[in-house]
Amino acid sequence: GQNIDQPTEMTATEGAIVQINCTYQTSGFNGLFWYQQHAGEAPTFLSYNVLDGLEEKGRFSSFLSRSKGYSYLLLKELQMKDSASYLCAVRERDKLSFGAGTTVTVRA
Amino acid sequence: ETGVTQSPTHLIKTRGQQVTLRCSSQSGHNTVSWYQQALGQGPQFIFQYYREEENGRGNFPPRFSGLQFPNYSSELNVNALELDDSALYLCASNVAGAKETQYFGPGTRLLVL
Repeated sequence: GQNIDQPTEMTATEGAIVQINCTYQTSGFNGLFWYQQHAGEAPTFLSYNVLDGLEEKGRFSSFLSRSKGYSYLLLKELQMKDSASYLCAVRERDKLSFGAGTTVTVRA
Repeated sequence: ETGVTQSPTHLIKTRGQQVTLRCSSQSGHNTVSWYQQALGQGPQFIFQYYREEENGRGNFPPRFSGLQFPNYSSELNVNALELDDSALYLCASNVAGAKETQYFGPGTRLLVL
């Protein structure tokens, strides 16, 4: 099974950068996903890493180190609408295991 | 818009009752997964169906059961409801083995009184 850890809360200022770390232990790694979830809504896909390295997608980037069981999501040029929960999820075969989520609050 | 729909959006039940939640996947997605998300937590995997057969199960009791139909729709059934079953129930669909994300529906919020 998986053990996925991420910080509970983070606060940052509009225009700043925030990095959300995720560590995991898994018996059959098949990719790591980051999702954004606004309160009361479904998770929406942000990024996917299966090989080591950095994936960049506009203001969002995600990094993976499989040997360290570590990933991070980098949010640049923060906007108020980025206030949400960010979920790290590890895939084993087709099963996704989620962390508890990191609530990011963006302040003006 | 993910192309995945769920019904109903909200539901209130009492302890001991039974509930059926429905999901309609994207056309061509042969895999559907169901998740339970309690307030302030990440989604927890309930089970997955592939081509109408259960294809993996999380740590949930047998009173949680499911069905998948050939028309890309599926059901989650919960018997003997308990207060702790109150949560957001999410379904997600994908093409098995594809290197892509699961696509989540908007969820059904269940309240058990």
